Amino acid sequence: QWHLRESGPGLVEPSETLSLTCVVSGYSLSSGYYWSWIRQPPGRGLEWIGSVSHGGSTYYNPSLQSRLTISLDASNSQFSLRLSSMTAADTAVYYCAAGGGISVAGGWGQGTLVTVSS
Amino acid sequence: EVVLTQSPGTLSLSPGERATLSCRASQTVSNNYLAWYRQKRGQAPRLLIYGASTRASGMADRFSGSGSGTEFTLTISRLEPEDFAVYYCQQYSISPYSFGQGTRLDIK
Repeated sequence: QWHLRESGPGLVEPSETLSLTCVVSGYSLSSGYYWSWIRQPPGRGLEWIGSVSHGGSTYYNPSLQSRLTISLDASNSQFSLRLSSMTAADTAVYYCAAGGGISVAGGWGQGTLVTVSS
Repeated sequence: EVVLTQSPGTLSLSPGERATLSCRASQTVSNNYLAWYRQKRGQAPRLLIYGASTRASGMADRFSGSGSGTEFTLTISRLEPEDFAVYYCQQYSISPYSFGQGTRLDIK
């Protein structure tokens, strides 16, 4: 059974770029599935950020596309998110997830809270 | 963009009772690409149902999903204590792949 774990800074200054990594164990990222990022502002609902396929194709939420890069590093069993020009509206728990369809999340990391503040 | 509207916003029931949660889409969800998740307090969501009616691996058979087009339902036949949580529907038919706002299931 796969295990996903997010890592990255808990605090980001406004206008800076957020970089998060999801390390996957128990499954080879190049073997299949879609690898996704989903976020949840405190006390609110879920928002799909974007996904990358096992072959490296990317799928982005249009509302974030201009600021977003998601990449796959199968050799190191990880995939990453970069979100530029962060604002307070980007404060959220960021989850990495995996599933059989784009954005469908059969497995989740525990989530990491990212706060945007100076 | 597909907007998913879940109802009711909050549902208060007792353990052992039956729960019926609704998810309505603003446009047709093709191929029944509709999923349901349960999120317990302080935890990541967990996939319950995908393809509108297929139970995810390891999920109890008290969970069932139905519907097509724009109307979908999650039914929990007999509520267990761990079922009192927030439930989200999600469509993965049309990008951006959107979630409903959630239904909170409270203990009565």
